[in-house]
Amino acid sequence: TQLLEQSPQFLSIQEGENLTVYCNSSSVFSSLQWYRQEPGEGPVLLVTVVTGGEVKKLKRLTFQFGDARKDSSLHITAAQPGDTGLYLCAGEHSGAGSYQLTFGKGTKLSVIP
Amino acid sequence: SAVISQKPSRDICQRGTSLTIQCQVDSQVTMMFWYRQQPGQSLTLIATANQGSEATYESGFVIDKFPISRPNLTFSTLTVSNMSPEDSSIYLCSVGTGRYQHFGDGTRLSIL
Repeated sequence: TQLLEQSPQFLSIQEGENLTVYCNSSSVFSSLQWYRQEPGEGPVLLVTVVTGGEVKKLKRLTFQFGDARKDSSLHITAAQPGDTGLYLCAGEHSGAGSYQLTFGKGTKLSVIP
Repeated sequence: SAVISQKPSRDICQRGTSLTIQCQVDSQVTMMFWYRQQPGQSLTLIATANQGSEATYESGFVIDKFPISRPNLTFSTLTVSNMSPEDSSIYLCSVGTGRYQHFGDGTRLSIL
């Protein structure tokens, strides 16, 4: 079983602060996705990273895939209340069919105005 | 991306009963999946819904408990059978591939 460990599990910060969420595994993934889920809704895909060392930016969000494709980070600059939600990372199983995903347990972020 | 509609959005059911959840997509898709998200937990894949053939179930999930239909490329149903309080969860359908999966808003199920 390929596990993804996310940290921290909970994070409460003031508006304007920076934060980083981590997603770690001992397994190699073909790709890694980050989702944000708000109460009453399904997860929304934010980004997919594929290449080891890849960095992608989405406005104030920066995503990085580890060189060995075993870990990833999400950095938010100057957090806003609209960033509040559950952030999930999901890894595509290396060598398996192209639809198998393993999800981390998520980081619940609260940004206080 | 595809627009995914799930029905019902929530339900409260009595133990021992069954509930069928529908997932409708606004375009034809090859891959459709069903996930479970238990309270405070992450998403766990239940099965892949295959069009025209039996669903492919993940370890720990069986057809008798979670029968799935996929009559065409835009629609699937998941039935939660003989429900118990342990089945209280959010059930989500998704479409796409491993790298680009998109989710419906889920069905919030509570069993009394």
